[in-house]
Amino acid sequence: GAGVSQSPSNKVTEKGKDVELRCDPISGHTALYWYRQSLGQGLEFLIYFQGNSAPDKSGLPSDRFSAERTGGSVSTLTIQRTQQEDSAVYLCASSLDGAAGNTIYFGEGSWLTVV
Amino acid sequence: AQTVTQSQPEMSVQEAETVTLSCTYDTSESDYYLFWYKQPPSRQMILVIRQEAYKQQNATENRFSVNFQKAAKSFSLKISDSQLGDAAMYFCAYTDTGRRALTFGSGTRLQVQP
Repeated sequence: GAGVSQSPSNKVTEKGKDVELRCDPISGHTALYWYRQSLGQGLEFLIYFQGNSAPDKSGLPSDRFSAERTGGSVSTLTIQRTQQEDSAVYLCASSLDGAAGNTIYFGEGSWLTVV
Repeated sequence: AQTVTQSQPEMSVQEAETVTLSCTYDTSESDYYLFWYKQPPSRQMILVIRQEAYKQQNATENRFSVNFQKAAKSFSLKISDSQLGDAAMYFCAYTDTGRRALTFGSGTRLQVQP
């Protein structure tokens, strides 16, 4: 597609349920990032994928969070046993090859509300 | 660890006037990149301008320019001839060759008054 596509746009879930958030990066982009943006806050890095390399998971806040990227394209961020503090906008982004100076393109995010 | 600080939670500017948003950062690296991103209500982050640390010349993109002071670790964004469409959250961000992910500041909400 023309841009980074994320789904769902909005998700309301009950505390304790699992959720999956999907990201479809720009075609041809090998680098993919997940960020979390809590209300009124900046962006917090979660995880980074680059090609076939092992992902950088250093930003994942707990073992309830995981992500995978199948076939080097689409990525799924999974949050297990959701908690109210997980409520946030989850932003996905991609760049051509992950080089530091490359433009990183963002999707519109998935707004997660845990009730 | 690298940190990015935006000390102005909110700023306001009159339409057609000029406004400057502040950003400071902390790093021990010599080769790095700085960015300003705009986030309108649609939530999509849009790159406004980029600066490479090894370039002494300040980056400029139309009405947007930066004042990059490497020794002071300061990277401010100047918006000239402000327009209503400039109203948004503005985030300063940093990355270097050793860390691909961006580190963001907490953001500045810019209001543009007609």
